Amino acid sequence: EDKVVQSPLSLVVHEGDTVTLNCSYEVTNFRSLLWYKQEKKAPTFLFMLTSSGIEKKSGRLSSILDKKELFSILNITATQTGDSAVYLCAAGTYKYIFGTGTRLKVLA
Amino acid sequence: DVKVTQSSRYLVKRTGEKVFLECVQDMDHENMFWYRQDPGLGLRLIYFSYDVKMKEKGDIPEGYSVSREKKERFSLILESASTNQTSMYLCASSLGVAGGVGSYNEQFFGPGTRLTVL
Repeated sequence: EDKVVQSPLSLVVHEGDTVTLNCSYEVTNFRSLLWYKQEKKAPTFLFMLTSSGIEKKSGRLSSILDKKELFSILNITATQTGDSAVYLCAAGTYKYIFGTGTRLKVLA
Repeated sequence: DVKVTQSSRYLVKRTGEKVFLECVQDMDHENMFWYRQDPGLGLRLIYFSYDVKMKEKGDIPEGYSVSREKKERFSLILESASTNQTSMYLCASSLGVAGGVGSYNEQFFGPGTRLTVL
């Protein structure tokens, strides 16, 4: 059965901390892994990863994929209260299997 | 910017009612998706469409049907709503590949419809 597992389930940090969110996957058909940030409404797209070992960066966020070990990490450096959200990862091809998310809370 | 809109943000229906959830995207995307999101279960795919009048079941299609008569619009239908269909429903679209399903583009989500079935 295809599955995507995220860890930790939730995380509380203080502003300025660095966090690492984990996503492991086992899917029959894999082409890419997606990361999303979800606040109170629709998930917003962060990254799409298709190749192992190539880091993608956007400001304080970065992500990398390991296709041999079947996992990805999302790093957030110098966290801010605005980073508080649920972070989702998804793996697949044109159809994706989503994890249940990591709930991040950043305290001022 | 890609824009995906859903007809209602909040909806309250009674058991046994027929419910229509509408989704429209304005970027000429080929692929459209309906998910439901429940606490502890994440996003689960209900149905997927890769072209007009083409559809494919997702992981939890029971109790639902879909319609895609025009490329920009994808409708989710609950034939006879039940209380276990109370959930957040999210529509998404992705670019796709003309004439096929071999796309792995990122999906863009609508704002969601929170449906309560009493």
